[in-house]
Amino acid sequence: GAVVSQHPSWVICKSGTSVKIECRSLDFQATTMFWYRQFPKQSLMLMATSNEGSKATYEQGVEKDKFLINHASLTLSTLTVTSAHPEDSSFYICSARTPTRAQTQYFGPGTRLLVL
Amino acid sequence: AQKVTQAQTEISVVEKEDVTLDCVYETRDTTYYLFWYKQPPSGELVFLIRRNSFDEQNEISGRYSWNFQKSTSSFNFTITASQVVDSAVYFCALSALRDDKIIFGKGTRLHILP
Repeated sequence: GAVVSQHPSWVICKSGTSVKIECRSLDFQATTMFWYRQFPKQSLMLMATSNEGSKATYEQGVEKDKFLINHASLTLSTLTVTSAHPEDSSFYICSARTPTRAQTQYFGPGTRLLVL
Repeated sequence: AQKVTQAQTEISVVEKEDVTLDCVYETRDTTYYLFWYKQPPSGELVFLIRRNSFDEQNEISGRYSWNFQKSTSSFNFTITASQVVDSAVYFCALSALRDDKIIFGKGTRLHILP
């Protein structure tokens, strides 16, 4: 089956620093990748949709200048949390869609971010 | 607007009991997809099933079964003879054909007690 990886799996950083999270589709080309955020004991909330080679589309209420998304290749999308603050601490999950199987998203294992 | 409601926040059952997780959805789209995902304590989402809106056949996979009823906009999930390893958070989700966005319900936390 299709595999999506995320790196790092967890990260602890100081307030004010920037953190980059990578999402890779390992065995397929992903024209579209999605980024979700999940706070403890809550549901997954879609943050943004990124298409390879174009600007990401952000959901309402998500600050595009704070959460920078780059989808530079068909197998890699990155999410950079700029000037992270404790309220950004969360579980970030990416997913990737294959062009051949619409409506099927393969989820990465997630990245736990803790901002001190 | 699309919405997924999982009214059961948390359920506890004793091992070997059957348990049904409820899911009710709202959408104006005629073509859509429904999903169930399992999220164990590790956090990784485990895909369980995808069902499109034109296929109302119920499905059984081992101890898991799903009941899709378009008339009541429900897509319920039953675990038969539950096991401790079934303990997890289960999410019901909805996606329209016109876009790829998956809308998740708030999840049901299932505890299977030994």
